[in-house]
Amino acid sequence: QKEVEQNSGPLSVPEGAIASLNCTYSDRGSQSFFWYRQYSGKSPELIMSIYSNGDKEDGRFTAQLNKASQYVSLLIRDSQPSDSATYLCAVNKGVGSGNTPLVFGKGTRLSVIA
Amino acid sequence: DTGVSQNPRHKITKRGQNVTFRCDPISEHNRLYWYRQTLGQGPEFLTYFQNEAQLEKSRLLSDRFSAERPKGSFSTLEIQRTEQGDSAMYLCASSAAGQLSYEQYFGPGTRLTVT
Repeated sequence: QKEVEQNSGPLSVPEGAIASLNCTYSDRGSQSFFWYRQYSGKSPELIMSIYSNGDKEDGRFTAQLNKASQYVSLLIRDSQPSDSATYLCAVNKGVGSGNTPLVFGKGTRLSVIA
Repeated sequence: DTGVSQNPRHKITKRGQNVTFRCDPISEHNRLYWYRQTLGQGPEFLTYFQNEAQLEKSRLLSDRFSAERPKGSFSTLEIQRTEQGDSAMYLCASSAAGQLSYEQYFGPGTRLTVT
């Protein structure tokens, strides 16, 4: 079983719709969870971090964490064409403070259609 | 407030040559990470430092790879006797250890092409 799994997509949504991106992880000791956005040819850009079960909202983005189900999701409301990118789910490896190297999924490619 | 910087941004080298990359982290960050990313994959962890101490090396890091952070500020990643399989984007990230936030911020990356 891969450590962090994401659907590779592409996920296509119309402009203005909600995009829902999902991620599962295998290490029950993980404590820190992140979503990065990566445009083609660029480096990953951090958009959300979440450490506790539940929802965390920041502007149009909402991250959801369920540690019992080992599941993390990202919702993007009012999707814009500029949101078209690959979204990477990342989880810290190992047990500890949570400040450890990250394990990434392969990413989900999102396409927002105008 | 400057972010993570990396140099060079692009490097083309011939197989068998040695290359060295530099990373300058965010100034108040004491943890520095190196990752490698190939097309269609997420970044893969290579090694990381807290201040000048190298805390962990991935099994991906063969003995041709070496990383240093001599004064706990910038870091270098050297690849000796490059192979075509080393072609990738090399990413550096930094974070502030000891804080409640464990966020890692990436630099722009160094794209290595081995011909």
